[in-house]
Amino acid sequence: GAGVSQTPSNKVTEKGKYVELRCDPISGHTALYWYRQSLGQGPEFLIYFQGTGAADDSGLPNDRFFAVRPEGSVSTLKIQRTERGDSAVYLCASSLGGGKGYTFGSGTRLTVV
Amino acid sequence: AQTVTQSQPEMSVQEAETVTLSCTYDTSENNYYLFWYKQPPSRQMILVIRQEAYKQQNATENRFSVNFQKAAKSFSLKISDSQLGDTAMYFCAFSWGGADGLTFGKGTHLIIQP
Repeated sequence: GAGVSQTPSNKVTEKGKYVELRCDPISGHTALYWYRQSLGQGPEFLIYFQGTGAADDSGLPNDRFFAVRPEGSVSTLKIQRTERGDSAVYLCASSLGGGKGYTFGSGTRLTVV
Repeated sequence: AQTVTQSQPEMSVQEAETVTLSCTYDTSENNYYLFWYKQPPSRQMILVIRQEAYKQQNATENRFSVNFQKAAKSFSLKISDSQLGDTAMYFCAFSWGGADGLTFGKGTHLIIQP
């Protein structure tokens, strides 16, 4: 596609529920990144995929968070047993790699009530 | 681990003025990339300018330029002839030379007054 697409744009869920956030990267971009941006803060790195595999998942805060990219294109960030502290904007970016630049989506605003 | 520091939480200038946003970083790497991103209320991070650490020449993009001081680990953004549309959050970010993710600063909220 022309840009990085993230769905849904907004998601409200109850504490304890499971959510999935989707990212559709730019066609041909092999690298895909997830970030979490809390209110008033800069984005924080969560996980990076190179192709289908997670090359670096050191930013995932705990085992409630998991992400997949089964065919090397679309990625899904999965959060189990959501907590109010998970409320944030979740940003996805894709890249050709090598520091050439990262294209971001508009994010999913997750609100856990 | 890399860290990025933006010491100005908010700045406000008049339209058409020049403004400089500061950024310092800490890394033990020699080859890396530095970025300035703009984030308007739409939430999308928009690349403003990019600098490769091995290049001594400061990057410029139209009204936007950087002052890259590698020894001081400083990477400031200068916006000339500021416009109302420049109002946004600005984030400085660091990437190691490979394909790893970005490390962001906390951002500077820039307000351009008419």
